[in-house]
Amino acid sequence: RKEVEQDPGPFNVPEGATVAFNCTYSNSASQSFFWYRQDCRKEPKLLMSVYSSGNEDGRFTAQLNRASQYISLLIRDSKLSDSATYLCVVNITPAPYGQNFVFGPGTRLSVLP
Amino acid sequence: EPEVTQTPSHQVTQMGQEVILRCVPISNHLYFYWYRQILGQKVEFLVSFYNNEISEKSEIFDDQFSVERPDGSNFTLKIRSTKLEDSAMYFCASSRLAGSSYEQYFGPGTRLTVT
Repeated sequence: RKEVEQDPGPFNVPEGATVAFNCTYSNSASQSFFWYRQDCRKEPKLLMSVYSSGNEDGRFTAQLNRASQYISLLIRDSKLSDSATYLCVVNITPAPYGQNFVFGPGTRLSVLP
Repeated sequence: EPEVTQTPSHQVTQMGQEVILRCVPISNHLYFYWYRQILGQKVEFLVSFYNNEISEKSEIFDDQFSVERPDGSNFTLKIRSTKLEDSAMYFCASSRLAGSSYEQYFGPGTRLTVT
């Protein structure tokens, strides 16, 4: 089983739509979780960390289910500028020194006018 | 806003040559990383560096790779004898915090082409 798996995509949605991305991870000792976005041929940019209680940042909501080893990202009222590849990232090394980030393959989102 | 910088943006080299990729992490960050991304594939962890030593490395980071922090600002990745399969985008990243949250900030990358 791959360490981090994501919806294969691509997702093509109209502006204003709500879209959800799913991610699963295999290492139950994973400590911290993130969503990054990556535009074509650019560096990954941090979108948000994912906390156990779930967290929201404007139109973006992240959820974590440790029992199911599942992470999600919800984007509401999607904008054209949200078009990118969304990367699920898991820190698989135990705290306090864990620094091995494992990236999922990404899910491509295209928001259409 | 502080950012990670990398030079060069694009490096072309011949197979068997040595290359050094350079990074300037964010100034108050303590942890430094290198990743690579082969075209069309996912981002892969290479190595992390803290307190002037490697703290973790992946299977990809074999004896042909080395990292160094030669001064107070630069962080370098050296590939001793490049192979065709080393062609990729190499990203440097840095993070400030220790503990359970390691938000990493990435530089724009160096595209390495080995011919």
